[in-house]
Amino acid sequence: DQQVKQNSPSLSVQEGRISILNCDYTNSMFDYFLWYKKYPAEGPTFLISISSIKDKNEDGRFTVFLNKSAKHLSLHIVPSQPGDSAVYFCAARSFGNEKLTFGTGTRLTIIP
Amino acid sequence: EAQVTQNPRYLITVTGKKLTVTCSQNMNHEYMSWYRQDPGLGLRQIYYSMNVEVTDKGDVPEGYKVSRKEKRNFPLILESPSPNQTSLYFCASSFLQSGANVLTFGAGSRLTVL
Repeated sequence: DQQVKQNSPSLSVQEGRISILNCDYTNSMFDYFLWYKKYPAEGPTFLISISSIKDKNEDGRFTVFLNKSAKHLSLHIVPSQPGDSAVYFCAARSFGNEKLTFGTGTRLTIIP
Repeated sequence: EAQVTQNPRYLITVTGKKLTVTCSQNMNHEYMSWYRQDPGLGLRQIYYSMNVEVTDKGDVPEGYKVSRKEKRNFPLILESPSPNQTSLYFCASSFLQSGANVLTFGAGSRLTVL
């Protein structure tokens, strides 16, 4: 039972344009959401997060949007840069539970 | 430098030969966890530990053991590896605190079981 889903295994975007990565979840107890970025031969690194009490969180070029009624979140990267090419994982956690449940990942390729 | 260190980074072994993947963190984190990454399945939790001598199963614990005798170390033990344990393994750690649980990951250990 995949509680966190990333339905697009891959995405290609032109440099300078907006990249939008999507994530859906099924567990209504999730209250904290994170995005991790992973380069080849490296471990995932934390990118940005959002609490369920918010619907948007912004950090530089990265913005995460949360739609609780739709159980959907998205990561926007503007403008996209070649260094953004990586695999992006969405993750979720419920209150009082330290465990992070990860999605299957989306491979983002930025085309110069 | 604050980090999670895993060893070995790459290992090829044969079915049934016991192996241990070590994990060490230098951030004084209470929480440590092991994940495996497989194509199309993302990152799945194997075991986790909330503190010394406190461990519990994650989503896919079968065939694995762990121990937490010291705060900084959390080794993953495969007593009798099988080919379905061929995977990319990540150790991760974090503080236990309300709010954000931001895991710091190691660089990964790629294991092949023949």
